[in-house]
Amino acid sequence: DAKTTQPPSMDCAEGRAANLPCNHSTISGNEYVYWYRQIHSQGPQYIIHGLKNNETNEMASLIITEDRKSSTLILPHATLRDTAVYYCIALSSGGGADGLTFGKGTHLIIQP
Amino acid sequence: KAGVTQTPRYLIKTRGQQVTLSCSPISGHRSVSWYQQTPGQGLQFLFEYFSETQRNKGNFPGRFSGRQFSNSRSEMNVSTLELGDSALYLCASSMGNLRYEQYFGPGTRLTVT
Repeated sequence: DAKTTQPPSMDCAEGRAANLPCNHSTISGNEYVYWYRQIHSQGPQYIIHGLKNNETNEMASLIITEDRKSSTLILPHATLRDTAVYYCIALSSGGGADGLTFGKGTHLIIQP
Repeated sequence: KAGVTQTPRYLIKTRGQQVTLSCSPISGHRSVSWYQQTPGQGLQFLFEYFSETQRNKGNFPGRFSGRQFSNSRSEMNVSTLELGDSALYLCASSMGNLRYEQYFGPGTRLTVT
């Protein structure tokens, strides 16, 4: 699975859109981009995933660049409950026999 | 639909003892994965079970074992506990392999003294 790189921390004002970048320049054609988050003292939570098209669900939007070397997770109206560590990972279509591997992620802090 | 449940939520054991942790997946999910999370090492994959068979295994010693029952519930066992086994143990369930969304439980916080 391709390595991903994320900024260690970000701040965002409550009510504004939070844009979290992820670099995955070595991603291969059959690897999907997944986003999970982990709120303090809880288990990780799935957010969204995509291959090459932009995706949107009730939680967030995922924008993947045309060359697929980077992506951005967008939380449209951030709330204090969105404060968490956000993980971007690349998983092959075969499913990742080595389990999910989270890097350090981005610690997103929503400011009131 | 009920989420993934793990019991117990907190556990304190002493070195040399053994421990069994339990996980009940979301109804209909046949895949259960186990992870160890520590501040220093982050999230590390232990093993995955699917239809009562261990399908994948991470790089942990044989003291860590698991099993899955016919109702998809899973247990993991750690024998001869060491101080370094203190961690949050997370269970995740899904419909299939890791390409599917993984739903995590709240975890079991194990402290070894």
